[in-house]
This record gives sequence, C-alpha cells and structure tokens, in this order.
Amino acid sequence: KQEVTQIPAALSVPEGENLVLNCSFTDSAIYNLQWFRQDPGKGLTSLLLIQSSQREQTSGRLNASLDKSSGRSTLYIAASQPGDSATYLCAVEFLLTGANSKLTFGKGITLSVRP
Amino acid sequence: EAQVTQNPRYLITVTGKKLTVTCSQNMNHEYMSWYRQDPGLGLRQIYYSMNVEVTDKGDVPEGYKVSRKEKRNFPLILESPSPNQTSLYFCASTKALAGEQFFGPGTRLTVL
Repeated sequence: KQEVTQIPAALSVPEGENLVLNCSFTDSAIYNLQWFRQDPGKGLTSLLLIQSSQREQTSGRLNASLDKSSGRSTLYIAASQPGDSATYLCAVEFLLTGANSKLTFGKGITLSVRP
Repeated sequence: EAQVTQNPRYLITVTGKKLTVTCSQNMNHEYMSWYRQDPGLGLRQIYYSMNVEVTDKGDVPEGYKVSRKEKRNFPLILESPSPNQTSLYFCASTKALAGEQFFGPGTRLTVL
C-alpha cells in the first residue's frame, strides 16, 4: 500500500532559523512529488513540484529534494519568517498498473515560526 | 487568472437534504478530483475524472456522486447528506496525468 508520512506533526522554531521538513513514502515507483502550503481553513497552495527524474527544485527561500531510492523528500526553508507559519503537505503521485496513478497526501507538518 | 473555483464556500444543511457543490476550472485541464479533509485523517480522494464523461471512485466515494458533462465543471453531489459528511472539501485539477495539481479554495460543509 502506498503511504506518505510526515514527521513530526508539528514544529516550532525561532525566526531566522533554517529548517528542514521531511516526507517519506513507501514506494519508489512515482511520477512526481509536490509540496503544498495550507493556511488555517484555507486551500492548498502549490510550492514546488519535483518530477521523478529530478533531484531538486528551488523557489526563492524554498528548496525541495527528492531521493526516490530511499523514499524521501525534504523541504528546506531558509531564514524562516513568521509568515512561513502554516501547514506543509507532501503529496506523492504513485505509479500504478496500466499507466494509472494515485495522488496520496501526508498528514502535514504544522510549522510555527516565533518572532 | 488561472484558477479553480468552488461554490458555496460555506454551507450548513440538515440530514437528508440534497446538495451540490460546484467546481469549475478555467485552465482547460483534463483531470479533476474531489477531496475531503478531516482532522487526523488528512486529505482523502472522493472521486476523480480523467475527461468528460469519465469518472472513477477514489478512496472514500460512499455517499457522493459526481458528473463531468463539460471539461471545465466537476460538481460534487450529496444525495442524502449525513453528519459524517461534515468536512472541508477541495476540488483540484491538473493538465495531464501526474501534472501539477491546482486546488480550489475549499468548501466547509456542516451537516446537522
């Protein structure tokens, strides 16, 4: 069964700290992995999409890496700010038989950046 | 502006009263999906559609119906809502298989 795990469920850091959010998945047969941000009661905002052939993607202070063989991805946030406080979700598009796919989400990491 | 829209954004209803949540995307995407999000359970897929008139069940389809008569629209229908369908619902679309997912703003549904 394809599963996506994000540990810990919550994280609190002081402003300015560089931090890493982890995501692990159970099957290396994937199309892609996507990181989302969700503010309380709001929708999901796509942050970075990494295709299975890629190792990393960068956008501003964010860098996401992908290691298919170990079933891991990390989201690196540089110089964290209070505005980065949100829940970060990892979603993996698993490859199924017949070229089908299934998008599976982790339960998210709730990040709090203290001023 | 490229976006996925959902209506209504908030809805309080009573058990058994049929309702429809609309979803529309203006990006000419082939794939559309519905998810529900519940505390401790995360996001779970209800139904998805790969194209017009092509739909399939996700992980939690019981109590829901969908239709895809036009490419841009993918409504979610609750024929007889029950309290266990109280949740935050999201519609999503993507251009192609395994493409970047775009999510709507969510619909918070309460069934009394």
